[in-house]
Amino acid sequence: NAGVTQTPKFQVLKTGQSMTLQCAQDMNHEYMSWYRQDPGMGLRLIHYSVGAGITDQGEVPNGYNVSRSTTEDFPLRLLSAAPSQTSVYFCASSYSDREGGYTFGSGTRLTVV
Amino acid sequence: GENVEQHPSTLSVQEGDSAVIKCTYSDSASNYFPWYKQELGKRPQLIIDIRSNVGEKKDQRIAVTLNKTAKHFSLHITETQPEDSAVYFCAASYPGKSTFGDGTTLTVKP
Repeated sequence: NAGVTQTPKFQVLKTGQSMTLQCAQDMNHEYMSWYRQDPGMGLRLIHYSVGAGITDQGEVPNGYNVSRSTTEDFPLRLLSAAPSQTSVYFCASSYSDREGGYTFGSGTRLTVV
Repeated sequence: GENVEQHPSTLSVQEGDSAVIKCTYSDSASNYFPWYKQELGKRPQLIIDIRSNVGEKKDQRIAVTLNKTAKHFSLHITETQPEDSAVYFCAASYPGKSTFGDGTTLTVKP
């Protein structure tokens, strides 16, 4: 049971490049979310999903796309990277019908130059 | 949308003292209130949670209280130890979506 697996752990992009952050969970969690964490600003929700085929926007969705074709995978796509997207990105998942909160992935540290 | 405010932003206590962190939320639809601990360079980890139909929950040295009418909830840590030093986040949640506070940096001085 690997929990929530995020790849890559570190990434440097040039302004304008696109990339996909991968997230996979093996706990059969219905809910999955992407957060970004900036110093002093806590965790801000980018996009979330309540099940396969269903996604919705969070607080800071601009510049990001998501899809949820399976229960296990929830990739986050940066369309055209900007320096303002330099951050630590966390993927998280949880059950829909029982307590336990989120299980977080180990994070991706992204730098856009 | 939901707005969560967390206070204080920093908290320093002596080992053995108690620590209290407070959060308020705005959306009465939120029904689940978890607390996470994040050590430097690591991922947040759930330490305790409470649902809106419960007023208080305790797990060893940590406890959480919820006042649904006033829309505020608090984390209480008793007999603090140096390993409790970390950033603590509260969150207000409804199905599939959690909004986090900005975090409290707790320092426990030996």
